[in-house]
Amino acid sequence: AQTVTQSQPEMSVQEAETVTLSCTYDTSESDYYLFWYKQPPSRQMILVIRQEAYKQQNATENRFSVNFQKAAKSFSLKISDSQLGDAAMYFCAYRVNFGNEKLTFGTGTRLTIIP
Amino acid sequence: DAGVIQSPRHEVTEMGQEVTLRCKPISGHDYLFWYRQTMMRGLELLIYFNNNVPIDDSGMPEDRFSAKMPNASFSTLKIQPSEPRDSAVYFCASSIKGALSGYTFGSGTRLTVV
Repeated sequence: AQTVTQSQPEMSVQEAETVTLSCTYDTSESDYYLFWYKQPPSRQMILVIRQEAYKQQNATENRFSVNFQKAAKSFSLKISDSQLGDAAMYFCAYRVNFGNEKLTFGTGTRLTIIP
Repeated sequence: DAGVIQSPRHEVTEMGQEVTLRCKPISGHDYLFWYRQTMMRGLELLIYFNNNVPIDDSGMPEDRFSAKMPNASFSTLKIQPSEPRDSAVYFCASSIKGALSGYTFGSGTRLTVV
């Protein structure tokens, strides 16, 4: 069974600084997707960034980028120039490309931005 | 598009009562998912549907929980009888097959059973 592990329950960063959130996963599949979701206090789940496993190039969305290490099964999220609005729970998630459409989530990292 | 619409946003009920949570997926999405979020267990998949047919209900905790999708635009999650340990946020999400966009989530229903 696929599992997703986020080993940092909480992280904090100074405003305008850079922070990296860690995620590892376990799978026997070779074709899959990885996602980072943000959940602010409003509790809405917002897709931040996604990565296709067959792509070696790391995904980037404005201030958000990932470090995807397929062999190590690692998928970290880097937030540059942190802003107060980045404060939220961040969830790493995995889904196999074919077959089961189930999205498996990690336990989340609560990110605090220090003004 | 209005996104995935869930109702009610908050529900407080007494133990033993029946609770029904509702979801309207995005038009054209053929997958619908019900998740439960708690502090202890995080986000758990309860059940998902494809073209209105339940595909995987292995996450449904027990017989007190049931879910239906009578048509492509509506799904319900029912708990009968409800118990305090059912208190959680319940999310509905929808997607199309293989979507790189992942899922689109509703805003969730916070259920409190007293």
